[in-house]
Formats: sequence, C-alpha cells, structure tokens
Amino acid sequence: SQQGEEDPQALSIQEGENATMNCSYKTSINNLQWYRQNSGRGLVHLILIRSNEREKHSGRLRVTLDTSKKSSSLLITASRAADTASYFCATDHNNDMRFGAGTRLTVKP
Amino acid sequence: NAGVTQTPKFQVLKTGQSMTLQCAQDMNHEYMSWYRQDPGMGLRLIHYSVGAGITDQGEVPNGYNVSRSTTEDFPLRLLSAAPSQTSVYFCASSFDLLNEQFFGPGTRLTVL
Repeated sequence: SQQGEEDPQALSIQEGENATMNCSYKTSINNLQWYRQNSGRGLVHLILIRSNEREKHSGRLRVTLDTSKKSSSLLITASRAADTASYFCATDHNNDMRFGAGTRLTVKP
Repeated sequence: NAGVTQTPKFQVLKTGQSMTLQCAQDMNHEYMSWYRQDPGMGLRLIHYSVGAGITDQGEVPNGYNVSRSTTEDFPLRLLSAAPSQTSVYFCASSFDLLNEQFFGPGTRLTVL
C-alpha cells in the first residue's frame, strides 16, 4: 500500500493565491520529499526535509514536517499558472520509497 | 550530462511477450530504482538497487526482474507481459535516499 496520502486530491485556485497541500504517512521515516509532475512527464524534485527538521524553505515553497502527527505540508506562495501540476510526497523508510497518490493543482490565470 | 535516460519511450506488447526496459544514468549515482505509475495514482516502487551487484524488491515486484551489473545501467525485465502491467514506467537515480532523486522521462507500456 502507498505510504503517503495527499490531501486534497485536487485544488483549484486563482493566480496570486497561496496553495497548501498536506501529506500523511504511516510509519517512521528517514526523510520526506516533495515532487512535482507536469502532465505526462517525469517527476521533478522540489524539496527534501529530514526527520529531524521541522520546516524548510526554497523560493516560494515552504515545507513543514510534524513527525508526532506523521504529517507534512507544502505551501506554494503567490502561485502562478505555471505551477499547475500534480504534487506528490514521498517517504523514505530504509531505502524503500513510497509515494502518495498526489494533489492535482490547477492555477487559473 | 544526459541525466537519466530511458528507452523505449513507447512500447506495445502482446500478452505473454517479454521485453527489457532500459535505464541509464551518467551521474555516478549508487541508488537506482524503477517505479510504475497507473492513471490517477502515485508511483509504486518495483525494484531498487543501492549499488552495482545489489538489488532488492519494492512494493510491487511480481512479474519483473532487475539486475545491476554496472553503476550506470539498471534494466527492468518483464518476464511474461500481462494486461495488468500496462502502465507508465519511470526509472530514477540518486546518490542515496538522503538526496533528491532524478527521474527519467518514462516509458509508456501497453500490453494487449
């Protein structure tokens, strides 16, 4: 079964708004990663947060990790139409990577 | 650097046929992996390798074989294709799982 589960499954916002996606997982992890996938393409790595970190920033991206709740969130600020894509969280448990089903983000211009 | 390359991009097989999906990377990465992605779903790990000569099963290994004779190459073999193996297959590599994975462009496989 998949380790991570994203919420919501789909999100539609206007350009300039913030988008928040959540990920929950079941077992202890070494790290958690967020990836982006444009339709029909391979995945692109966005950010990695280690199990001993609580928050990480990269440009317009902010990721939090709460290991006590086994959850993470990805915040994209000031969204752009080009941010339209699917976003996946992935958890590493002893070399076994598990991906969630993803959040489909649509940013309307 | 070419990054992670996969061949072929598209493939149609008949039930029972066998084939090998090729994956190569030129970044000297130790960790390589194969995933399948079914419509509307995330990726599921088929097999992975932490270095040449070492492979292990992921979440959905049945019907697939892998080998890792060199650091660069990690082919995935379908032994006897079944319609349930219709999917998009992605290969990925990284130094290790403490670092980001780089994904290939994918192979779209249809089994009739």
